[in-house]
Amino acid sequence: DAGITQSPRYKITETGRQVTLMCHQTWSHSYMFWYRQDLGHGLRLIYYSAAADITDKGEVPDGYVVSRSKTENFPLTLESATRSQTSVYFCASSGRDSGANVLTFGAGSRLTVL
Amino acid sequence: QQPVQSPQAVILREGEDAVINCSSSKALYSVHWYRQKHGEAPVFLMILLKGGEQKGHEKISASFNEKKQQSSLYLTASQLSYSGTYFCGTEIIYPPGAGSYQLTFGKGTKLSVIP
Repeated sequence: DAGITQSPRYKITETGRQVTLMCHQTWSHSYMFWYRQDLGHGLRLIYYSAAADITDKGEVPDGYVVSRSKTENFPLTLESATRSQTSVYFCASSGRDSGANVLTFGAGSRLTVL
Repeated sequence: QQPVQSPQAVILREGEDAVINCSSSKALYSVHWYRQKHGEAPVFLMILLKGGEQKGHEKISASFNEKKQQSSLYLTASQLSYSGTYFCGTEIIYPPGAGSYQLTFGKGTKLSVIP
């Protein structure tokens, strides 16, 4: 199916465990993004990628690791999960159509850290 | 670098108008507007580019004041389907070669339309 998909949609884990959230898009978009959404904070950028093997930090990168070995995949890893990382995580992609980043978001991954 | 949105929340009756504002302290390349329904992902509404080019939604309009680094989203004759949280996203102008573009969002404006 064409589009952008995130997995898992829901995840409960314990403090200190490693968690990986997956993001896959079928458009061959060059840009991909990870945001977290928390009440009172809106959408905050964690990491973004301009192309395969090119990644950069956003506003709140601490505690997260990303990689992008293939254009279509952009996994987000929490190496040692903390309660403050309980959040809804959105992946997005953009082909930078006509000189602007119009984002299409995935459905989101709700992560609870106990 | 998060843009500032106002108001934080607004309640309208069907048919009323609303304005949502977005401002940045940085020089902007573009301003984006997205709407998020409860439990869903944000969906693109409109983009305003430096220089005046605009794309977007038929029944919702927006303005972009480049000098003031401000944008406003105008919702006229509101419908129940307009309810949701509206986010503005801003792209900052980077010097050539400084790096790739990133989109930073405000905290959102919750719009509730009641019958």
